[in-house]
Amino acid sequence: DAGVTQSPTHLIKTRGQQVTLRCSPKSGHDTVSWYQQALGQGPQFIFQYYEEEERQRGNFPDRFSGHQFPNYSSELNVNALLLGDSALYLCASSLVGRGGTDTQYFGPGTRLTVL
Amino acid sequence: KQEVTQIPAALSVPEGENLVLNCSFTDSAIYNLQWFRQDPGKGLTSLLLIQSSQREQTSGRLNASLDKSSGRSTLYIAASQPGDSATYLCAVIQGAQKLVFGQGTRLTINP
Repeated sequence: DAGVTQSPTHLIKTRGQQVTLRCSPKSGHDTVSWYQQALGQGPQFIFQYYEEEERQRGNFPDRFSGHQFPNYSSELNVNALLLGDSALYLCASSLVGRGGTDTQYFGPGTRLTVL
Repeated sequence: KQEVTQIPAALSVPEGENLVLNCSFTDSAIYNLQWFRQDPGKGLTSLLLIQSSQREQTSGRLNASLDKSSGRSTLYIAASQPGDSATYLCAVIQGAQKLVFGQGTRLTINP
């Protein structure tokens, strides 16, 4: 049973560019959440997708957008990159529909460096 | 706004000691609380999840307690080993499975 997978593992971009990060949830899960973790900090909630719609959003600007596909996989897009966007981006999946539990499973993350 | 605080920020102990990590939160209206482990540059591994109606959960050498009324949780690690060295994060779960994390405790177990 594959866990949560993310791609790519590492990414280097320059200021002003755009980036897309990808996440495949654990088999059987229907909800994907994205978190940003700056160095030395705890993860911060970006947004969550369920049934292909953004279900809730944290305190992040509109430069951060996402999408969920019919197979429950998800993308995180960041436009007009800033140096401060450098962080580890974590994807978590869980099962909300059909009476699932609250346990969330995290992927290994994508390390984004903005130069 | 929910705020989660973890004390201490860093802890270094000799192998074999029992230790306690602390987590406090400001809003007691939580669904659950979850403890995670994070190795350097890696993702998060779930250790224990405590439902809001529970007082504690145990897994092997780990025991986590939850006191909603006081806004506190502790993670107890018995007989620590060098392999326990990692950053430990607690997170409270509020509506729709949104996790609010503390900043973590960086634990070092010295052989």
